[in-house]
Amino acid sequence: EPEVTQTPSHQVTQMGQEVILRCVPISNHLYFYWYRQILGQKVEFLVSFYNNEISEKSEIFDDQFSVERPDGSNFTLKIRSTKLEDSAMYFCASRKTKNTGELFFGEGSRLTVL
Amino acid sequence: EDQVTQSPEALRLQEGESSSLNCSYTVSGLRGLFWYRQDPGKGPEFLFTLYSAGEEKEKERLKATLTKKESFLHITAPKPEDSATYLCAPCYYQKVTFGTGTKLQVIP
Repeated sequence: EPEVTQTPSHQVTQMGQEVILRCVPISNHLYFYWYRQILGQKVEFLVSFYNNEISEKSEIFDDQFSVERPDGSNFTLKIRSTKLEDSAMYFCASRKTKNTGELFFGEGSRLTVL
Repeated sequence: EDQVTQSPEALRLQEGESSSLNCSYTVSGLRGLFWYRQDPGKGPEFLFTLYSAGEEKEKERLKATLTKKESFLHITAPKPEDSATYLCAPCYYQKVTFGTGTKLQVIP
């Protein structure tokens, strides 16, 4: 069964460092998402991406964040200068259709900022 | 702003004790509502999609229903393996907003 894969599963970084989280969405999906979940809190929408551009983003997704689809398979989330409050689980998701159809989630990348 | 409220926040049931979880939403222009299950440290796992008021979906011991302002997830005769956090997520076009979840614990 096709699945969304994320790397790394866990990353520890120092405050102020750049971090790139990687995702390989399901191959015939066209819509891609990043969510984050701070420990014990809700799953929060960060950004959606389609046709090589951001289609929607939340207020959390400020100038420190960027997304990219550098080739035909990977989808990345970059945090330019990490803060302590960026510590969270980051989930990538992909979706086949635009307005309907479920999101398929990866297992997440846990980011710890020291 | 879109609001999604789930209740109760936590629910403890004896094995076999049926109950219902609630999801209330104020998303305008709803395109569908998803239910997911999340185990600790894992990504959300898809359960159901509901598209219109009156629709029902079933899977094993779970049944999801939808009205114009809320959705229910009914759990019939739960087993310990049903213990997880259940998330509802209304969908407005590309944006899918998750509720805070109901943490279900089923005691043998």
